[in-house]
Amino acid sequence: NAGVMQNPRHLVRRRGQEARLRCSPMKGHSHVYWYRQLPEEGLKFMVYLQKENIIDESGMPKERFSAEFPKEGPSILRIQQVVRGDSAAYFCASSPGELRSYEQYFGPGTRLTVT
Amino acid sequence: QKEVEQNSGPLSVPEGAIASLNCTYSDRGSQSFFWYRQYSGKSPELIMFIYSNGDKEDGRFTAQLNKASQYVSLLIRDSQPSDSATYLCAVNNDYKLSFGAGTTVTVRA
Repeated sequence: NAGVMQNPRHLVRRRGQEARLRCSPMKGHSHVYWYRQLPEEGLKFMVYLQKENIIDESGMPKERFSAEFPKEGPSILRIQQVVRGDSAAYFCASSPGELRSYEQYFGPGTRLTVT
Repeated sequence: QKEVEQNSGPLSVPEGAIASLNCTYSDRGSQSFFWYRQYSGKSPELIMFIYSNGDKEDGRFTAQLNKASQYVSLLIRDSQPSDSATYLCAVNNDYKLSFGAGTTVTVRA
């Protein structure tokens, strides 16, 4: 299966803990996007990364959230000191590159529950 | 005004009928338009994309784009129970996708 991979699929954290969400893009894709889907709400863009570069993080909360896409390994979305409002589905998408940047394919998501 | 608006659902159609989904967008500079299907509890699945005015057909799906009216639609012909899902319209804003709230379609057997 050469699709976008995310893990863990489900993550439970207590308030104040850290959450780390991982995403491996589809084979041959070099662009990674993170989206958040709150219950009963639409998908919202958070951040766009290429290898070792954050291109646009305008959709990410200024505090507690960070993202990276290192030269080796998966992209990581990190949420520090989680709060109940962070409970959501976090989806990673990848795209092939410049000419087809807009065709984004989604991974299965990580469902984060903060207790 | 929301960036992407979809016709409110839910939409219920009998098996074999045509389901028609509509979407309008506010950014005239948008160039790429997408339809995703999302089953309950699952991730969005890209089913159609369209870049040029007119119609684009893929199997039982037809996407229609009218940039002058800032309107994009999706027709599902010969609807099947397996088509029951939420359909998300997405529009590019540079590389970012802006999504509508989705229209839930139920196909009655």
